Amino acid sequence: DIQMTQSPSTLSASVGDRVTITCRASQTITNWLAWYQQKPGKAPRLLIYKASNLESGVPSRFSGSGSGTEFTLTISSLQPDDFASYYCQQYNRYFVTFGQGTKLEIK
Amino acid sequence: EVQLVESGGGLVQPGGSLRLSCAASGFTFSTFEMNWVRQAPGKGLEWVSYISRSGTTIYYGDSVKGRFTISRDNAKNSLYLQMNGLRAEDTAVYYCARARGLGGDAFDIWGQGTMVTVSS
Repeated sequence: DIQMTQSPSTLSASVGDRVTITCRASQTITNWLAWYQQKPGKAPRLLIYKASNLESGVPSRFSGSGSGTEFTLTISSLQPDDFASYYCQQYNRYFVTFGQGTKLEIK
Repeated sequence: EVQLVESGGGLVQPGGSLRLSCAASGFTFSTFEMNWVRQAPGKGLEWVSYISRSGTTIYYGDSVKGRFTISRDNAKNSLYLQMNGLRAEDTAVYYCARARGLGGDAFDIWGQGTMVTVSS
């Protein structure tokens, strides 16, 4: 199985900050990587697919980059609505795996 | 409106069975691959199972293989998860999720989830 390692597990930041979350795959996944946002009690929401493609309706302050085994999600200027948990997901094979998640907290 | 709605969760004893359903609306269900994903209380997301558009190709995560069965009825726009031999560690919110493309893709539409609790 392909293991996904996200860092950091928790991130404290302020409104207006630029933040970056990193995801590392245990083997190359080309660019078959997605990022999701999840708020408490809600289903995950797709933000980024194929490493860098913004899902329709997602604000442009979200961006993704990377290929192979190293990937990043960047939020250019944090808004109050962005405080949530974030997960990366590899879908290089049908046997999808998720990162352990990053909780983005208000500083 | 594109929507997935899960049902069938509840409290079940260890070793018991439960069948989850996921009703799709607002899109042509038969043209999309589907998945089940679960999330234990306070934990991260875990992929459970995949089914192809026709239902002929199926995959499972190691933790549920041999106990869970995914299926679909395209005529009824519905996805199912039959769960047998339930264990305490199967306690989770179960989501159905649509793959946005073919051949394995990100999950663009999710249901609201249904809670399964395995306890005596």
